[in-house]
Amino acid sequence: NAGVTQTPKFQVLKTGQSMTLQCAQDMNHNSMYWYRQDPGMGLRLIYYSASEGTTDKGEVPNGYNVSRLNKREFSLRLESAAPSQTSVYFCASSEQVTSTDTQYFGPGTRLTVL
Amino acid sequence: AQTVTQSQPEMSVQEAETVTLSCTYDTSESNYYLFWYKQPPSRQMILVIRQEAYKQQNATENRFSVNFQKAAKSFSLKISDSQLGDTAMYFCAFMKHPYSGGGADGLTFGKGTHLIIQP
Repeated sequence: NAGVTQTPKFQVLKTGQSMTLQCAQDMNHNSMYWYRQDPGMGLRLIYYSASEGTTDKGEVPNGYNVSRLNKREFSLRLESAAPSQTSVYFCASSEQVTSTDTQYFGPGTRLTVL
Repeated sequence: AQTVTQSQPEMSVQEAETVTLSCTYDTSESNYYLFWYKQPPSRQMILVIRQEAYKQQNATENRFSVNFQKAAKSFSLKISDSQLGDTAMYFCAFMKHPYSGGGADGLTFGKGTHLIIQP
């Protein structure tokens, strides 16, 4: 039982490049989330998926797209990376968004955009 | 929208001492949940404790307890008998109840308090 896994752990991009961050969970959770953490800040919600087949915008969705590929996987795509997207990205999952179940977090992806 | 404020950027205490981390929040919601998360140098986010706003009793988890003052919108974390392994960033977080209307929107975090436990 690996919990929430994220790939890659580190990535360096040039401005304008695209990439997809992958997230998978093996806890049979319905809800999944993407957050970003900037220096000196708490995490901010980018997008979430309450259940397979649905996605919704969070606090800071601009410049990102997401795909809930199946119940296990939730990917985050940067179509044209910008230096302002340099951050640490966390994926999380919970049993369902309509409960107070704990959100379990992945180890994070450190992304640098030059 | 709700905001979460942690006014102590950094705190340092000696091992075995008791330390209290402060958190205040602002919301117009009446039904919500509050959390404390720990982030050690490994960057992993670990849930420490959570509180349902409708419960008057303060939550406790072993050495960790909260002082929840709903009217004052205050949610402090007390760590008793602090240990070296408690050294980490601590984040206070808010989540409105999904049935409050407007759907769920994940967790809103404060900026964190860096807690250092000195040997």
